[in-house]
Amino acid sequence: AQSVAQPEDQVNVAEGNPLTVKCTYSVSGNPYLFWYVQYPNRGLQFLLKYITGDNLVKGSYGFEAEFNKSQTSFHLKKPSALVSDSALYFCAVRDSLLTGGGNKLTFGTGTQLKVEL
Amino acid sequence: DGGITQSPKYLFRKEGQNVTLSCEQNLNHDAMYWYRQDPGQGLRLIYYSQIVNDFQKGDIAEGYSVSREKKESFPLTVTSAQKNPTAFYLCASTDTGGANTEAFFGQGTRLTVV
Repeated sequence: AQSVAQPEDQVNVAEGNPLTVKCTYSVSGNPYLFWYVQYPNRGLQFLLKYITGDNLVKGSYGFEAEFNKSQTSFHLKKPSALVSDSALYFCAVRDSLLTGGGNKLTFGTGTQLKVEL
Repeated sequence: DGGITQSPKYLFRKEGQNVTLSCEQNLNHDAMYWYRQDPGQGLRLIYYSQIVNDFQKGDIAEGYSVSREKKESFPLTVTSAQKNPTAFYLCASTDTGGANTEAFFGQGTRLTVV
């Protein structure tokens, strides 16, 4: 089975400060990991993904994520937060050993990021 | 522009009614999905389809039905059997070329029972 946890319901950060949104996962095989962002009453937008290779993945809008296999984590980061980054962030995982289920993703419960002036 | 279109954006349903949510994609993706989003619960999979004329139940299929008669379309019907249908519904699609491909999402339909 595949699962993902986002331990923080909300993260508050001041504009210009670095931000981290945490995500841990559990899979049987190798993980395919994704981050999405959602603005109010909108769909999810893809930010970045980890498939294999370099543990630091760069994505849209200056976001990056660090894959750590020993800690089974995939934390989202940004060096300098903007007020416009305020949104709901979802981590998602797909197990490389998952068969018969298409490309189903399992999502975390989401973390609300609030960036203040 | 390629993408996924969900309609309507807002939908109101009376008790005991069936309603159908539309999802259309022009990305030429084989797989399509319906998720339900409730506050604090993330996204939960209702149904998915990997190919035309075939679909599978997800984690919370009870009270819902789908069809996949065309590659581009994957409508979701919320039946009167769904006890708590008020939620935000999201449709997504993926290219089944590989498990490492990201999902593309529509803008969602907010369903409210009145």
